[in-house]
Amino acid sequence: QVHLVQSGAEVRKPGSSVKVSCKASGGNFNNYAINWIRQAPGQGLEWVGRIVPSFGPPKYAQKFQDRVAITADDSTTTAYMELNTLTSEDTAVYYCARGPGGQRGDALDIWGQGTWLAVSS
Amino acid sequence: DTQMTQSPSTLSASVGDRVTITCRASQNINKWLAWYQQKPGIAPKLLIYETSNLESGVPSRFSGSGGRTEFTLTINNLQPEDIGTYYCQQYNGFPWTFGQGTKVEIE
Repeated sequence: QVHLVQSGAEVRKPGSSVKVSCKASGGNFNNYAINWIRQAPGQGLEWVGRIVPSFGPPKYAQKFQDRVAITADDSTTTAYMELNTLTSEDTAVYYCARGPGGQRGDALDIWGQGTWLAVSS
Repeated sequence: DTQMTQSPSTLSASVGDRVTITCRASQNINKWLAWYQQKPGIAPKLLIYETSNLESGVPSRFSGSGGRTEFTLTINNLQPEDIGTYYCQQYNGFPWTFGQGTKVEIE
């Protein structure tokens, strides 16, 4: 059984950067996608991007294209999302979630616990 | 981008009722639609994938149907533990997009 465990809450100032981690245990890390989704307070779900480790470049939502980087480290089975040039509008819970592939595609079946990011001066 | 529109935004029903949530896509997404349930402060939980396939462990009172641009999630015999917010998500084409959510309450 795959588990995703994310890094802890972060507080950043506007204009700075943050890097959130998502450690996977169980399963084959290279066989599925890791997606990043965020949820601002009281709002809905917003897809940021995804990576399939060892399988080509990540995909990003156009909105974040210029200031996000999603990477994966096979050796530690950990995925990362780095978001730059933060503003208060980036204040949200950030989730990683598995897209299992195959028939299930990117129906997100396993989620991390979420990482709270607060951006404030 | 494919826009996903859910209705209603809020739904109030009684225990035992049958409730239906609709999700419309702005373009054909074939069958690549998932439904999630989210409770406050907790990550979403996958209920249905590929329009109508029930995720393991999800009660059979949940079902999904539809195709192309119109999809429904039905909860038969609504239970108190079903309260929460429900989201649809398309994964037919990047970027993946979600509906705005439907909050289900018990009367």
